[in-house]
Amino acid sequence: EAQVTQNPRYLITVTGKKLTVTCSQNMNHEYMSWYRQDPGLGLRQIYYSMNVEVTDKGDVPEGYKVSRKEKRNFPLILESPSPNQTSLYFCASSPRTDLSGANVLTFGAGSRLTVL
Amino acid sequence: QKEVEQDPGPLSVPEGAIVSLNCTYSNSAFQYFMWYRQYSRKGPELLMYTYSSGNKEDGRFTAQVDKSSKYISLFIRDSQPSDSATYLCAMGRTSGSRLTFGEGTQLTVNP
Repeated sequence: EAQVTQNPRYLITVTGKKLTVTCSQNMNHEYMSWYRQDPGLGLRQIYYSMNVEVTDKGDVPEGYKVSRKEKRNFPLILESPSPNQTSLYFCASSPRTDLSGANVLTFGAGSRLTVL
Repeated sequence: QKEVEQDPGPLSVPEGAIVSLNCTYSNSAFQYFMWYRQYSRKGPELLMYTYSSGNKEDGRFTAQVDKSSKYISLFIRDSQPSDSATYLCAMGRTSGSRLTFGEGTQLTVNP
């Protein structure tokens, strides 16, 4: 089944404890992206990647790191999590880097992170 | 000011009602417009896509874009309880790797 898989789905952690949220897609998609979803703010892009070893900042990159060493994987790293990073995180991928129309974003099921 | 404004609701309607969901935007560079549907505890999935102005129909769903007013709509006819979800509008430029999402409208269709 074609899908984007995120892990963990739920995580409670404490301030400052490094964590990684993994994302993997099995569709050979070029484009991958991370979003966070917060009440009143909607979906905001954190980082995106056009291809292996090519990443760029989205709208809210502060406090996050990403890497794209393999085409299928795009982990999100929180080096020193803070309570304001408590959110619902989504990874998404698309066949091409141009998202105009036909190149649909496929989302993962989400990872709910709580930082105490 | 947000580039895309969407009333978060919640919106509650009886089964069979016609539902109208709307977004306004400020960036005239947006050329393509999408509606995503997000069920509880799931990721968003693409529902409708429209390029530039005009209407697009797919079954019970109709998407409308009015670029002169910077206003887009999604209509759901004969709404069903299975339509209960959050609906997010999204839009982007002619080409590029960025989409801007609305906040989402939470819809409940009551049997």
